[in-house]
Formats: sequence, C-alpha cells, structure tokens
Amino acid sequence: KAGVTQTPRYLIKTRGQQVTLSCSPISGHRSVSWYQQTPGQGLQFLFEYFSETQRNKGNFPGRFSGRQFSNSRSEMNVSTLELGDSALYLCASSLSAATSHNEQFFGPGTRLTVL
Amino acid sequence: GEDVEQSLFLSVREGDSSVINCTYTDSSSTYLYWYKQEPGAGLQLLTYIFSNMDMKQDQRLTVLLNKKDKHLSLRIADTQTGDSAIYFCAVPSGSARQLTFGSGTQLTVLP
Repeated sequence: KAGVTQTPRYLIKTRGQQVTLSCSPISGHRSVSWYQQTPGQGLQFLFEYFSETQRNKGNFPGRFSGRQFSNSRSEMNVSTLELGDSALYLCASSLSAATSHNEQFFGPGTRLTVL
Repeated sequence: GEDVEQSLFLSVREGDSSVINCTYTDSSSTYLYWYKQEPGAGLQLLTYIFSNMDMKQDQRLTVLLNKKDKHLSLRIADTQTGDSAIYFCAVPSGSARQLTFGSGTQLTVLP
C-alpha cells in the first residue's frame, strides 16, 4: 500500500506570493492533518480535514487555509508569503474516525523556502 | 493547552541502551505516541501506548508510562548507528485529532 505522498517536495517563493501544497493520503484514509515544522517553533498543528470538512484548526493566521476533496486528497494554501513561513510542511493521514486513537502516518513533507 | 517537554540531545555508544524522556501536562490523554524523524524525511510512527498501560514492549523498543507523574519514556535496547535520528513524543490535545509534539530529542549513536 502506498504511503502518504506530498507534492512538490521543494518549493522556493518570494515574499508576497502565494503557494499551494498537495497531499494524497494512504488509500482508505479519510482524515488529513497538516503540520508546520520550523527549527524555532518545532512541530505545530495547522488544521485537520475529515470527509471534506475542517474539523480542527490550530493557531495560525487566516493566510493559511486548506481544503479536502471527495477522494480525500488535501491541499493547503498560504497567501501573502512571509519570510517566517519558510518551513517543512508535513501532511499526515489517519484511518480512524474515532477520537481516542489517532494513529497518524506522515508524508515526507514539502520544504518551502521564502526569499 | 497541552505542553510537552523533552530534552534536546542524547549521545550513546553503539550497543548501549538509550532512554528518551518526555513529560506532558494533559492528564486526559488516552494514547501517547513516539515518532522518529531521520534527516530530510517525514515522521515515522514508532510505537504508542494506551494510558491504562504502564509498559509496552515492541522488539527493541520499550515504552514506560507513569501517568501519575505524566512522564513517558522510550527505551531503545542495543542501540545501533541506524537509530541516530530525532525522536518526538506526541500527545493528543483538544480533540484527539490534534497532536502536540515535544521539541524532539536528537539521538546520536557513537561507534
């Protein structure tokens, strides 16, 4: 079974631009979560989608948004990029809709560099 | 909100045991997770423990949970150079669908 895939793997943008990152979950997984990883802040939760609905959102500005499609693939978008948005963006998928056990499987990440 | 703390660095000799520690604040956490991240890669789920367990063993990995002290540890027996990586403790917070990660412990295995 294929793992979580993320595209692109690397991206370079300039301040003020916008970017869209894509994530394909493991087949059969309906939940997709996004995390931002930076050396200073570590791993921080962005949002989670389940069945095309955003179920949970972290503490990020409105410039960060996402969506999920009917095939469970998800995209996240960052508008008006800032230097501080440079990070590794990780996507994780999970099978269970149950709230007690959330075994998440991570993709390799998209490395975004903002110049 | 949830706060998860880990020490930043650990060095061990090849063949020795490694113990990585984690403390958390939310006592309602039901499952607690350990992830491994190798350079340039995403996170790999290593193991997890349910909060009503004290210990879980999985081959070279042993997870110990002290729920009273909110302390979680990961022991790696017979540590190999391939175990060099960053290890993250992760605890569900808010809804269980949101994981709060520790800062990660950089494990260096010396030959």
